[in-house]
Order: sequence, then structure tokens, then C-alpha cells
Amino acid sequence: DTAVSQTPKYLVTQMGNDKSIKCEQNLGHDTMYWYKQDSKKFLKIMFSYNNKELIINETVPNRFSPKSPDKAHLNLHINSLELGDSAVYFCASSLDRSSNQPQHFGDGTRLSIL
Amino acid sequence: GNSVTQMEGPVTLSEEAFLTINCTYTATGYPSLFWYVQYPGEGLQLLLKATKADDKGSNKGFEATYRKETTSFHLEKGSVQVSDSAVYFCALSSGGGNKLTFGTGTQLKVEL
Repeated sequence: DTAVSQTPKYLVTQMGNDKSIKCEQNLGHDTMYWYKQDSKKFLKIMFSYNNKELIINETVPNRFSPKSPDKAHLNLHINSLELGDSAVYFCASSLDRSSNQPQHFGDGTRLSIL
Repeated sequence: GNSVTQMEGPVTLSEEAFLTINCTYTATGYPSLFWYVQYPGEGLQLLLKATKADDKGSNKGFEATYRKETTSFHLEKGSVQVSDSAVYFCALSSGGGNKLTFGTGTQLKVEL
């Protein structure tokens, strides 16, 4: 009955590799997000999609590419991983893009770059 | 631009003590305000929200009131429990896209 599920939960990889994180929500929501949480627990939005359309694209290196095959899925692909990419990445969803809608978060993917 | 400032942690309290975590914000327009809680190893969970001035959000004994005049949304609980130990985030959303702007988080530790 998991509402927002991310895989994998942990990802340990070498610098320079390419990796993907997958996210799925079964809430029937229209809007999905990716956030990055750094080692000091600070959270910052990266991307948002509404019904498969990109609506928020913050200042993120173009090595990061989100893809939304349908409104229930939002995946994050990262090319040429760097040490600074080590963080916890959270996927979230909300009913729609209205600012009064709360967001539902997955449990996060902890990415560690060696 | 939008910003959220919340008190630095960690905050350590004894069980049944009164909790206040301060949060102030700067925003364009009329933001919605949220408190999220993060337990160790988990994602964020919505604790409460308020979408207009003077609204009070409440849940599980926690309360916060949207104060437009002081641009604040302080979190309070009358009697904390050990199970309330977590990191608490104040956040706002304003404008299209529902982009959340978070505070830095406040770690709460409740001891017996």
C-alpha cells in the first residue's frame, strides 16, 4: 500500500558512472517532484512534472535528466556522477500543482559516490 | 525570492515538556505554509498546514497559526513524547507549480 515508492533505497557507485532512480506513486496524483537533501538535511527542489509535462526545472546540472513516462512515474537519470552528487534524493507527489496541496514523499534514495 | 528561517537545533526536551519551534518566512504573494516531520531513515510526512492568514493547522497535538502580520508559523505542542523525536521542517509554497521552499530543519530529541 506504499503511496510513493522509490528504488533503489541505497545506491553506492563510482565517480563517472551513470545511474537511475525510479519513482512511482499510486495515489492518482497529477504532479510529481524530485528533491535533493544534502548532508546537513537541507532540502531543495530539483524538478517537477505535471501530467508528464516539466513545470519546474531549478538550477541543476544538465547531467541530471528527469523522465516521466506517465503521470504515475517520474524517474531521475544522472550521468557522469560526481562526489558532490552524494545526497538523499526524495520523490514526492501532490494531487495537482496548486500551492495549497500537500506533498507526499517517498522514503528516499541514499546515493553515495566513491 | 521565497525563504524560510527556522530555529537552529538540536532541541532537547524532557518528556511532557512544552515545545515551540520558531519559523518565519519571506514570500511573494500569499503562500501556503506547512510543517513536515522526518523520522530517521524515512521520508517527510505532512504534519499540518495552513493556507491563509489566521488559519490554525493542527494534528497529533501539534499546532501552528498562520500569522501574516509577523510572517510566522511557529510550531507548538503542549506535552512532547519520546516518539516525537524527529527533524521538523517548516515550508512554504507560493505561485504556480507548488514548489516547496524549506527551512533548514530543527532536530528534536525528547528524553525520559
